[in-house]
Amino acid sequence: AQSVTQLDSQVPVFEEAPVELRCNYSSSVSVYLFWYVQYPNQGLQLLLKYLSGSTLVESINGFEAEFNKSQTSFHLRKPSVHISDTAEYFCAVSEVAAGNKLTFGGGTRVLVKP
Amino acid sequence: DVKVTQSSRYLVKRTGEKVFLECVQDMDHENMFWYRQDPGLGLRLIYFSYDVKMKEKGDIPEGYSVSREKKERFSLILESASTNQTSMYLCASSLGGTLYYGYTFGSGTRLTVV
Repeated sequence: AQSVTQLDSQVPVFEEAPVELRCNYSSSVSVYLFWYVQYPNQGLQLLLKYLSGSTLVESINGFEAEFNKSQTSFHLRKPSVHISDTAEYFCAVSEVAAGNKLTFGGGTRVLVKP
Repeated sequence: DVKVTQSSRYLVKRTGEKVFLECVQDMDHENMFWYRQDPGLGLRLIYFSYDVKMKEKGDIPEGYSVSREKKERFSLILESASTNQTSMYLCASSLGGTLYYGYTFGSGTRLTVV
């Protein structure tokens, strides 16, 4: 069965500094990968996804993630964070042959300090 | 703007009560999901449905049931609420046959069982 591990439960970071959120998954088959963001008191929003093609995917607000099949990872990065990036971030995986079911990681809470 | 609407934002119920959590989507999505979100555990899948009157167990179905009588509505039922079911409950929906658009989430229902 697929599983997702987010290695950091909390990441404090100063404004304009870079941040990396780590995500590893376990699956022996082809997968789709997602990052979702949850701002305070809101539901989850899709940040970016990898379905096929280029292993580097980007979001409209400056985040990027790279799919590494050999390391079964999908780490999320942003070169310069803003206060508004304070949120919880969830990595999720779906096995291609398993329909539309997503398995989520435990989440990483990012706190951006001025 | 497409929406997944959860009927209650906050709910307080007594132990042993039967609890109904309602979710409605206006996107004509085939798939609907119920997750619970707990700190450090991320989102865990309770039940999901790929079509009207269809339901499948997720990873933690014990103590829950669901109902999907209409395509747009997916209800989560706690047959006899217990304190360990105190949690944030998230409903989501997605198009059938593809994860290209990911899931659309509701804002969540924070349930407290006393």
